[in-house]
Amino acid sequence: DGGITQSPKYLFRKEGQNVTLSCEQNLNHDAMYWYRQDPGQGLRLIYYSQIVNDFQKGDIAEGYSVSREKKESFPLTVTSAQKNPTAFYLCASTEGDRGGEQYFGPGTRLTVT
Amino acid sequence: RKEVEQDPGPFNVPEGATVAFNCTYSNSASQSFFWYRQDCRKEPKLLMSVYSSGNEDGRFTAQLNRASQYISLLIRDSKLSDSATYLCVVNPEDSSYKLIFGSGTRLLVRP
Repeated sequence: DGGITQSPKYLFRKEGQNVTLSCEQNLNHDAMYWYRQDPGQGLRLIYYSQIVNDFQKGDIAEGYSVSREKKESFPLTVTSAQKNPTAFYLCASTEGDRGGEQYFGPGTRLTVT
Repeated sequence: RKEVEQDPGPFNVPEGATVAFNCTYSNSASQSFFWYRQDCRKEPKLLMSVYSSGNEDGRFTAQLNRASQYISLLIRDSKLSDSATYLCVVNPEDSSYKLIFGSGTRLLVRP
């Protein structure tokens, strides 16, 4: 079955540590996205990538970094520079220019203490 | 002003009721509109796109009012399984890859 996988589902880290969240898709989608969701708030775009080896900052990119070396993979690194990293992180992908029809992975809940 | 605004609810309705949610958006040049559904602690899933002429999918009807810049979602004959948060989503530019998500309206359907 095609889909998007994110791992791990829950992640705990100490403050000051960098952590990388995995996102893999086998839908052959061109575009991939990372969002952050906080309680009672909408999804906020961190980074997105339209093609391999290219990505753009979203609305809240500070403290995060990404890479897109393969079409299938779009890992997100939460660095120690991110002030409030505890959140629900969602990865999504979309086919071509059908930006509105995004398919989401199950998400990773990151807790930093 | 938020780019996409929704009443957070919760809307608490009995099974079989009809319920409607509204959403307003601030960018008059917005091109595409969607409703997503998000179950508790799960990922959002596309429920339906919203077309200018309005569209229906079973018990769900979506409408767009460009003049007033609002989108609506009507759910008829509510089921217990409709309990979820409904996210209003706007694509501000036709060729853009970016979506703006509302914070969602929570629906609780009781027996």
